[in-house]
Amino acid sequence: EADIYQTPRYLVIGTGKKITLECSQTMGHDKMYWYQQDPGMELHLIHYSYGVNSTEKGDLSSESTVSRIRTEHFPLTLESARPSHTSQYLCASSVAPGQGTTNEKLFFGSGTQLSVL
Amino acid sequence: KNQVEQSPQSLIILEGKNCTLQCNYTVSPFSNLRWYKQDTGRGPVSLTIMTFSENTKSNGRYTATLDADTKQSSLHITASQLSDSASYICVVSDRGSTLGRLYFGRGTQLTVWP
Repeated sequence: EADIYQTPRYLVIGTGKKITLECSQTMGHDKMYWYQQDPGMELHLIHYSYGVNSTEKGDLSSESTVSRIRTEHFPLTLESARPSHTSQYLCASSVAPGQGTTNEKLFFGSGTQLSVL
Repeated sequence: KNQVEQSPQSLIILEGKNCTLQCNYTVSPFSNLRWYKQDTGRGPVSLTIMTFSENTKSNGRYTATLDADTKQSSLHITASQLSDSASYICVVSDRGSTLGRLYFGRGTQLTVWP
């Protein structure tokens, strides 16, 4: 069982609100990720981080932002939520692969189901 | 275009029966292939990871196979249980990229009936 936690599990908010989705892991993993997943669809990478003070945008264009001030914490923020942001957001972490191997194992949190009205 | 295609999209079986889920990919270059189980409303949990040189790997009642030549993988579930009801996601990783990019399939939704 992975020690990666997301809060809240469910969030219903109105359009225009600022929200922060929390993600914390206690495994000391360097790499952390945010994925977006709609029902019946594949996961899309929206942000990732290789360590403290390192953040990059993923494949899917997103109006969200992230920060990585501490190794264990990788929050995602939406400055002004819109109905198009309604989705499930999954946080994940992994240990950066060592020399000679690329088989990093991803550990996922339980996700935050966001609904914007 | 790098893609991961899974079939069937959904599957219903009776408890105790076996089933096989398919994954075809066009990702190149290829590093490894993973199968994940995702319960409704939860995050995916890793079942198996296979590299180019591995053609089968088991995890309890789950057995994954890989044919890197035809770019196909299957996940076989033996003696299904009600708790096997979930979405099973095939994920392929490329190599040569510092990111070790992951390509996700849309999953097969498995329902096990009593």
